[in-house]
Amino acid sequence: DTEVTQTPKHLVMGMTNKKSLKCEQHMGHRAMYWYKQKAKKPPELMFVYSYEKLSINESVPSRFSPECPNSSLLNLHLHALQPEDSALYLCASSHDRLPDYSGNTIYFGEGSWLTVV
Amino acid sequence: AQSVAQPEDQVNVAEGNPLTVKCTYSVSGNPYLFWYVQYPNRGLQFLLKYITGDNLVKGSYGFEAEFNKSQTSFHLKKPSALVSDSALYFCAVRDISLGQGNLIFGKGTKLSVKP
Repeated sequence: DTEVTQTPKHLVMGMTNKKSLKCEQHMGHRAMYWYKQKAKKPPELMFVYSYEKLSINESVPSRFSPECPNSSLLNLHLHALQPEDSALYLCASSHDRLPDYSGNTIYFGEGSWLTVV
Repeated sequence: AQSVAQPEDQVNVAEGNPLTVKCTYSVSGNPYLFWYVQYPNRGLQFLLKYITGDNLVKGSYGFEAEFNKSQTSFHLKKPSALVSDSALYFCAVRDISLGQGNLIFGKGTKLSVKP
């Protein structure tokens, strides 16, 4: 089973709202990711968590705040977003147990469609 | 820096004909290459990967890819295309130079299979 589950599938929020995107995997993967994808473009990495610690932040604005409560869950908290933040947000995970993870597959969820109005 | 290139924005194929979606790569060290497919309004699905070993890699839904070191290519192929194969295809390389592997994607190729 290579399932990454994301909720909600669709979210519409105003620029002053606070909302969260949620992601869950039960594959025992120790690396989890958030990507942002605009229409017909490749995904862009936002954050990487490794062993529940933030290991990469790709200079993402602070209005996006990730959280990894445990090894199975990953959240993305949203606050004061702009209309240009409207996109498909993809969660992903990979096995990535040290020391060698270079060939491991990164598995994606179905994504959360975010519209900021 | 690692990179992949997909030279075609769109590939059009008639159903039943063979299909090829092209990908070339530029990496330092061993290449770890992946193909993903994205159906409309869906997430990315893993198709196949090359790590080491046989140059011909078989994956999901009848797809295969051929790793060619001399041409630095990793083209995706299928002997007989289906209308349901119509989707956006991404080639990617895993970049471990940052210490935590990330995927570097090509721009994507839209495959259109007509009946």
